[in-house]
Amino acid sequence: GAGVSQSPSNKVTEKGKDVELRCDPISGHTALYWYRQRLGQGLEFLIYFQGNSAPDKSGLPSDRFSAERTGESVSTLTIQRTQQEDSAVYLCASSLNRDEQYFGPGTRLTVL
Amino acid sequence: GENVEQHPSTLSVQEGDSAVIKCTYSDSASNYFPWYKQELGKRPQLIIDIRSNVGEKKDQRIAVTLNKTAKHFSLHITETQPEDSAVYFCAAPSGAQKLVFGQGTRLTINP
Repeated sequence: GAGVSQSPSNKVTEKGKDVELRCDPISGHTALYWYRQRLGQGLEFLIYFQGNSAPDKSGLPSDRFSAERTGESVSTLTIQRTQQEDSAVYLCASSLNRDEQYFGPGTRLTVL
Repeated sequence: GENVEQHPSTLSVQEGDSAVIKCTYSDSASNYFPWYKQELGKRPQLIIDIRSNVGEKKDQRIAVTLNKTAKHFSLHITETQPEDSAVYFCAAPSGAQKLVFGQGTRLTINP
């Protein structure tokens, strides 16, 4: 079946602009995660959605970051007033439970 | 919350030799420990995992061992090949739903 997809694959934006990143999870996966991966670094947890429960936003680095998910489908990560330090690959993952997470290909964000 | 430490950060081995990567965790209640492989420019992919009811699990050239008393688990790759070159991440649960990832180990296999 189809895996996790993300769009766009690459995004170049100017400092101060807003960006929206999209994630389509595997159908039927109730859990959805967003991570940030800076160049050569590890996976930094941002936010987690599980079904209709309140999302776990504990990893969001500032109030410029927000995310939404409609039911158990698409999620959008929004970064407002982008800064150069926001440049990274943003990875989305989905899973049936906490265990095996399936990652998308990521969106490479470059803030000039 | 859970804290995961991964060592070494970089590892270089000769082709055919073995590679070992170690992780420690802090939450004694953790019961699931996956390892992910991320090739350059690619997404992380699960390669092996272990649950706390067993001490070792093997899958061909890859094995994972778990020491619950010492709260550490290790990835073992035998007979390494060039395609094993990648960054490897361990993880452990934080609460019921999240995984906390280690900082990663960049493994290079030298021909």
